[in-house]
Amino acid sequence: DAKTTQPTSMDCAEGRAANLPCNHSTISGNEYVYWYRQIHSQGPQYIIHGLKNNETNEMASLIITEDRKSSTLILPHATLRDTAVYYCIVRAHSGAGSYQLTFGKGTKLSVIP
Amino acid sequence: DTAVSQTPKYLVTQMGNDKSIKCEQNLGHDTMYWYKQDSKKFLKIMFSYNNKELIINETVPNRFSPKSPDKAHLNLHINSLELGDSAVYFCASSHSSSGNTIYFGEGSWLTVV
Repeated sequence: DAKTTQPTSMDCAEGRAANLPCNHSTISGNEYVYWYRQIHSQGPQYIIHGLKNNETNEMASLIITEDRKSSTLILPHATLRDTAVYYCIVRAHSGAGSYQLTFGKGTKLSVIP
Repeated sequence: DTAVSQTPKYLVTQMGNDKSIKCEQNLGHDTMYWYKQDSKKFLKIMFSYNNKELIINETVPNRFSPKSPDKAHLNLHINSLELGDSAVYFCASSHSSSGNTIYFGEGSWLTVV
């Protein structure tokens, strides 16, 4: 799976949008971009994923650049409960590589009152 | 209803003991996993089972043996526990025909003393 690069940490004011960037310049054509988060003392939680189109669900929006070499996860109105480590992962949907997620260090997002 | 449940949540045991962590998913998924998160918070896959067959077996000591009695269960047995086995163990599951979005349990905190 392609390697991703994320900032180590970010702060966001409560109620503001949190924009978390991720670089994945070596992504291949069949690899999807996934975002997970891990709130302290909990299991990782799936947020969203996409291939090349922008995606939105009840939790977040995912913006993928046209060349697919980077993406941004947007939490539109961050709350204190969004404080967590956010992981950007690229992964194929078929083959042996589809059966695992390779977690990096992620971005520790702190939402500040 | 808990989708991926694992027991026990906390386990403190002495070196040399044998212990098991159980995992069950009620999502109808055909693939299950065990991940380990060490003291440095890195999440790494240990095993992956698809339809009760071993798909991924990362470099894990033979003391660790997963057992999948059916598609809804993947238990982790650990023999001759060592201090370095202290970690949080996460069970997870996914459906191979739905893009393999992986859903995690809440974790089992293992402390070896």
